[in-house]
Amino acid sequence: GENVEQHPSTLSVQEGDSAVIKCTYSDSASNYFPWYKQELGKGPQLIIDIRSNVGEKKDQRIAVTLNKTAKHFSLHITETQPEDSAVYFCAASKEQAGTALIFGKGTTLSVSS
Amino acid sequence: NAGVTQTPKFRILKIGQSMTLQCTQDMNHNYMYWYRQDPGMGLKLIYYSVGAGITDKGEVPNGYNVSRSTTEDFPLRLELAAPSQTSVYFCASTLPSSDEQYFGPGTRLTVT
Repeated sequence: GENVEQHPSTLSVQEGDSAVIKCTYSDSASNYFPWYKQELGKGPQLIIDIRSNVGEKKDQRIAVTLNKTAKHFSLHITETQPEDSAVYFCAASKEQAGTALIFGKGTTLSVSS
Repeated sequence: NAGVTQTPKFRILKIGQSMTLQCTQDMNHNYMYWYRQDPGMGLKLIYYSVGAGITDKGEVPNGYNVSRSTTEDFPLRLELAAPSQTSVYFCASTLPSSDEQYFGPGTRLTVT
């Protein structure tokens, strides 16, 4: 089955710096790659996603890149702010009815001001 | 819309006890999921349902049961609680036409 590896497990940056989180997946049939943000005591919330027919997607300060050949995808956060501090999860799935997301282990991002 | 709601927020069980974790969504989503999240780990799928009356096992179903009698509700049952079931449990839902899963706030369960 699918396996998703996520690095780093913790990341500390200064406010205004950029943060990059990387994930690799094992199943070449996976074609949907979302990123979730989880704040303390809350459920995960989707922040951006990308499908296999696209190499990059941006939404304001957040971008995701996908390299299908290498089977890895990355989350880029620019101009980080203290409110970006949270746990970020990448995931992969085959985008079929009822198919579950396979999650990475998460990255704890700390943004200090 | 309240979205996905879960009760209780916290629960402590003794080994061998049983309980039901409740999950309700008011978005008319067909698909619903139960995940567990262990410390330092990603979420793992326990069970899922693509509609009322239809359920299927996920990656880690042992020790759990589910039912889906209505579109709105997807309860998760633990029959004989074990310490290995200490975890945070999340319910999620989505439409068939969408990939975005909406998560509830979670239930933190401790089995001692």
